[in-house]
Amino acid sequence: QKEVEQDPGPLSVPEGAIVSLNCTYSNSAFQYFMWYRQYSRKGPELLMYTYSSGNKEDGRFTAQVDKSSKYISLFIRDSQPSDSATYLCAMTNYGQNFVFGPGTRLSVLP
Amino acid sequence: EAGVAQSPRYKIIEKRQSVAFWCNPISGHATLYWYQQILGQGPKLLIQFQNNGVVDDSQLPKDRFSAERLKGVDSTLKIQPAKLEDSAVYLCASSPAVSSITGNTIYFGEGSWLTVV
Repeated sequence: QKEVEQDPGPLSVPEGAIVSLNCTYSNSAFQYFMWYRQYSRKGPELLMYTYSSGNKEDGRFTAQVDKSSKYISLFIRDSQPSDSATYLCAMTNYGQNFVFGPGTRLSVLP
Repeated sequence: EAGVAQSPRYKIIEKRQSVAFWCNPISGHATLYWYQQILGQGPKLLIQFQNNGVVDDSQLPKDRFSAERLKGVDSTLKIQPAKLEDSAVYLCASSPAVSSITGNTIYFGEGSWLTVV
């Protein structure tokens, strides 16, 4: 079993749709969870950062963490063509070991 | 605040040649990372420095890859000799001290794209 699993997509949605991106993980030691957005030919850009279980909202983006199920999600409301990118989940146990998912490629069609 | 700087952005070399990538982290960040990202995959850690000491280099192919962090600031990653399978983007990242709350996330540079032909 891989340490972090993520559906690679590609995921295509119409503009304005709600997008749900998910990751599952196996290591219960992970405490901090991140979502990165990576545009083509660019480095990953930190989008959301959460600690332990719960929700965090930032504009159109909501991150959810369910540690009991070892499952994290990123929701994008009112998706825009500019949201088209690869989304990477990442997690760490107090900054000692960062592990990344393979990324989900998202296309938002105008 | 300036981000993580990397150069060169793109490099094409022939197999068995050598290449070096340079990174300047965010000012004040104690921890510096080099990741390798192959197309369609997530970043894979090659080496992690805390100040100028190596914390983790367990996945660094030491027969061909080397890295150093001079004076705890800039870092250089070298590949010699390069193989076809080294074609990837090499991402440098940095984070504040691990003990701080914001030390539990990392910030990436734009990456150095390597093509080995």
